Formats: sequence, C-alpha cells, structure tokens
Amino acid sequence: GNSVTQMEGPVTLSEEAFLTINCTYTATGYPSLFWYVQYPGEGLQLLLKATKADDKGSNKGFEATYRKETTSFHLEKGSVQVSDSAVYFCALTQGPGTYKYIFGTGTRLKVLA
Amino acid sequence: GAVVSQHPSRVICKSGTSVKIECRSLDFQATTMFWYRQFPKQSLMLMATSNEGSKATYEQGVEKDKFLINHASLTLSTLTVTSAHPEDSSFYICSAPEVGNEAFFGQGTRLTVV
Repeated sequence: GNSVTQMEGPVTLSEEAFLTINCTYTATGYPSLFWYVQYPGEGLQLLLKATKADDKGSNKGFEATYRKETTSFHLEKGSVQVSDSAVYFCALTQGPGTYKYIFGTGTRLKVLA
Repeated sequence: GAVVSQHPSRVICKSGTSVKIECRSLDFQATTMFWYRQFPKQSLMLMATSNEGSKATYEQGVEKDKFLINHASLTLSTLTVTSAHPEDSSFYICSAPEVGNEAFFGQGTRLTVV
C-alpha cells in the first residue's frame, strides 16, 4: 500500500543554518505530495505541494521537488529562523481532488538563536 | 484562508467515560470531513470519513461502535470516543476539504484517558 517515510527528529539547528528533512514515498499511480507544518498549539498548515513529477513547491523560503525517479520529496530551506521551529509532516494523496492523506511520522525542528 | 476549528484541544477523562470532539469548518461548507489519529512516534492515520447526512465510513481496523461519528450539518462533525480506555489516549485531528482547494486541518485534540 501507499506510505510515506520521513526522517526522525528532533532536528536541532542554529539560526541561518541549512535545513534538509528527507521524505520518501511509496505509491501507485501519480500521487500529489505535500509538506504540512504544525506550530505549537496550532493545526496543520499547508506549507507547499507538488502534483506532478519535477514540480517544485515553494513557500516562505522552503522548497521541495517531486522526484519520481527517487520517489522523494525532500524539504529544504537555505537559512532557518527561530520562528521555523515546528513539526513538519510529509504527506501524499492519490492525486488532485482527493483528500485522504497518508502522512509521515513528522519531524520536529528546533532552531536555536 | 479557510479555517477549521477543533475543540477541545486537550482533554483528560476517566476510563469508562465518553468524550466528544468537535470539528467545525468556519467559513466554508464541508460535506465530507476526515478524522485522523496519531500515536506517539507514529504517523497520522486516517480513522474514518465523515459524510454529511449519511453514515461515516471507517478504515479497516477502526471500531465504529467505539468511535462514533456524526456529521449533522455542513459545518460540523463530531467524534465521540465511547467507553474510553487508556489505550485510546492519542492525538486526534480532523480535516475538511474545501472544494477546489486543499484540505484544511483542525488544531488537534490530545486525549488522555486515566
């Protein structure tokens, strides 16, 4: 069946460091891929998404590229800030217009000043 | 953007009691909502799909008599954990898709059964 695997946290970085959170997936067909972020005490917020191979999603300095050949959707940011401290979830759905998500375990990021 | 409100954010209950969790779409209508559960160090797992005006559909392995879902209006779905036990302690979160857009998630509910 479909699944998402993401690196375990917590990840602790200093401010302005480079961030990578790895995410790989197993799916049939052509899934849509997402990164969601959860700040303390809040719900999941969509950070970025990509719906087809080689698409790059980007938002707030974060980027992720849909790599079908490596079944990956790694999250990157060139320079993290303290305000980026949160839990990040990689997820997939079976395609645009479908809303049943399959999530990874989440990766907690802590950025130190 | 669209907002989904989930209440309560935290609840502690005694073993054997029932707990109700509400999920509201605040500025859009949702004929379908989804309920997820996350155990420590595990993924968020889909439990059930809540359908306005009809019965919920449950994922394999989820007890429908234990997790009662009611979607009585286009903006409200409720999940009731009946006769809760310590093993039901978990993080529950709902989502509501806005047609033509992505799904929006509530804040989640941390349930602790003592």
